[in-house]
Amino acid sequence: DTGVSQDPRHKITKRGQNVTFRCDPISEHNRLYWYRQTLGQGPEFLTYFQNEAQLEKSRLLSDRFSAERPKGSFSTLEIQRTEQGDSAMYLCASSLSGERGLLGYTFGSGTRLTVV
Amino acid sequence: DQQVKQNSPSLSVQEGRISILNCDYTNSMFDYFLWYKKYPAEGPTFLISISSIKDKNEDGRFTVFLNKSAKHLSLHIVPSQPGDSAVYFCAVGSEKLVFGKGTKLTVNP
Repeated sequence: DTGVSQDPRHKITKRGQNVTFRCDPISEHNRLYWYRQTLGQGPEFLTYFQNEAQLEKSRLLSDRFSAERPKGSFSTLEIQRTEQGDSAMYLCASSLSGERGLLGYTFGSGTRLTVV
Repeated sequence: DQQVKQNSPSLSVQEGRISILNCDYTNSMFDYFLWYKKYPAEGPTFLISISSIKDKNEDGRFTVFLNKSAKHLSLHIVPSQPGDSAVYFCAVGSEKLVFGKGTKLTVNP
């Protein structure tokens, strides 16, 4: 297993366009998390899944954002009508649920989005 | 409102000396307390953790201390090495992790 993979690594888009990011978690992990990190800040929680169920969404996740994990494996994060304020690093992490879950949180390398 | 605060944006220490990074949190219901290390252009990587039932956990040069009454977490690195230079994030949580803003550690040779 190569860890958590995110694609693409970088994305530059024009304001108003839609973008989609993909995350492939560690195969045996049933939980998948999306975070966003901007300059000078720590990762901010967006949403998480257990298997295919989306269990929680942050108020940071406006209605322009949608995340899916259709078969409980990979996940996609789509941003519609991008705005310059969406420019950030989008991080995906996976873990097992339960007591050891948080201790085994593994992050991908992230997708850096720049909206021009 | 910030649930997790790292009040020092940066810290500079000499190689071989001790590095102490601090973190304060507000929610006494958090169960797990972790430190992550991040290099530029990479995702955070897990460094060390402690559960709420302990007050100290040691792993080689890294020791994490938890003071639940003060809602305070600290990471000690001794001896510090130049390769430790990175941004360190404190993270706390129960079902999910909440991160601080990070402290950039520079270890000078």
